[in-house]
This record gives sequence, C-alpha cells and structure tokens, in this order.
Amino acid sequence: GAVVSQHPSWVICKSGTSVKIECRSLDFQATTMFWYRQFPKQSLMLMATSNEGSKATYEQGVEKDKFLINHASLTLSTLTVTSAHPEDSSFYICSAEGGGALTDTQYFGPGTRLTVL
Amino acid sequence: SQQGEEDPQALSIQEGENATMNCSYKTSINNLQWYRQNSGRGLVHLILIRSNEREKHSGRLRVTLDTSKKSSSLLITASRAADTASYFCATDGGSRLTFGEGTQLTVNP
Repeated sequence: GAVVSQHPSWVICKSGTSVKIECRSLDFQATTMFWYRQFPKQSLMLMATSNEGSKATYEQGVEKDKFLINHASLTLSTLTVTSAHPEDSSFYICSAEGGGALTDTQYFGPGTRLTVL
Repeated sequence: SQQGEEDPQALSIQEGENATMNCSYKTSINNLQWYRQNSGRGLVHLILIRSNEREKHSGRLRVTLDTSKKSSSLLITASRAADTASYFCATDGGSRLTFGEGTQLTVNP
C-alpha cells in the first residue's frame, strides 16, 4: 500500500514552454501533498505544500507564479513549470501524506527529470 | 537552510560489513525519519522514530535517537551490494520534513 506515482518520469522541453507534472496517490487519499526539487548530488528542497481544495503554501524563494500547483482531488496534485528555462532543469519529486495510520509519513513518487534546452 | 547534517558524506564498505550513518539537527522535533534513494529514483521510507523513542529496529536496520544531543544514527548490519544508495535523514517539526544532506553509501561486492 501507500504508492505514489508521477508522470512523466522524464521530460525534455524547449526554453519558454510550460511543463505539467502529475502526482497521484494510487491506493490512499492524500490530505497533503508536497513538491520537492533536487539538484544533482544534493538534498531535497521543499518547494511547496498543498492541501486538497486550497491554495498551496510556497517556501521562501519559490515563485508561485512560475511553479503553479493545483491539488484538485485527494489523489491528484499537479505542478506546472511555466515558461521553463535551463536553470529550472532538475529532478522534481512529490510526496503524499495520508490520514489515519498513514499520518506522519510521507510517501514519495519516483520523481520527474526535467531538462530544459 | 537544511537543518539536518549527516556524516559521513560518503561511505564505502565491503559486503557483509556494518554501515553507520549519523544525523544531527538543530531544533525540536516530533519525529525523525530515514529514507533511501537509489540514483535517479524517488525516496523509499525506511523507518520513523518518534521523539519519545530511543531505539528502533526494522530487519537489518537499527536507528537510535538522542534528543539531548539532537542526533540520530542509522546502522545497517550485514550490508549487501543492493544497499548501495544515498541515505537521508529528515526531521519532522510538525508541519514539514527537513532533509539532511545525505550520505552516499557504496557497498562493494
């Protein structure tokens, strides 16, 4: 149980285009979903926290207009990187936290490798 | 900034040996968690230890927590080549996880 998927697993796009990444909790309802960014050989940096049906809370230094997060249901959150530039190239990982016995533990998706040319 | 600091940054051992990784943090926590990440993959949750616990076991994993020293250790016994990965500690202060810089473990066959 507690499986989180991400789609796509990798994407290459041209500078200036927008890219949408989906994060789904497959077998549980996620009260909260998190989006992280990880640069090579570095740790995970939290970008934003989202709760279903409400606006995401962004970490300091993360542009909300550039990284659009939508958490429309208890099993789906999307991250849209708008007008992507090469410096946005990174590994984006989502996680989901459920309720009940799944509280306190975040279950991570497999990540999405974004390369912006 | 990252709260957790891990050492060593990199560890290389032979199969069958034990591997110990340490994590220090600065603020009070509700719990501390350890994750494994294989290269280019997502994170796999290994173990969670609450602030009122001192030691926890799961298979070949042993985690200790010393809240007075604000530190934790992860011990992997009888290591295998498949244990090669990056290991991260993450502290939960109530609203979010804060990850350490990670330890890259290499287990040589």
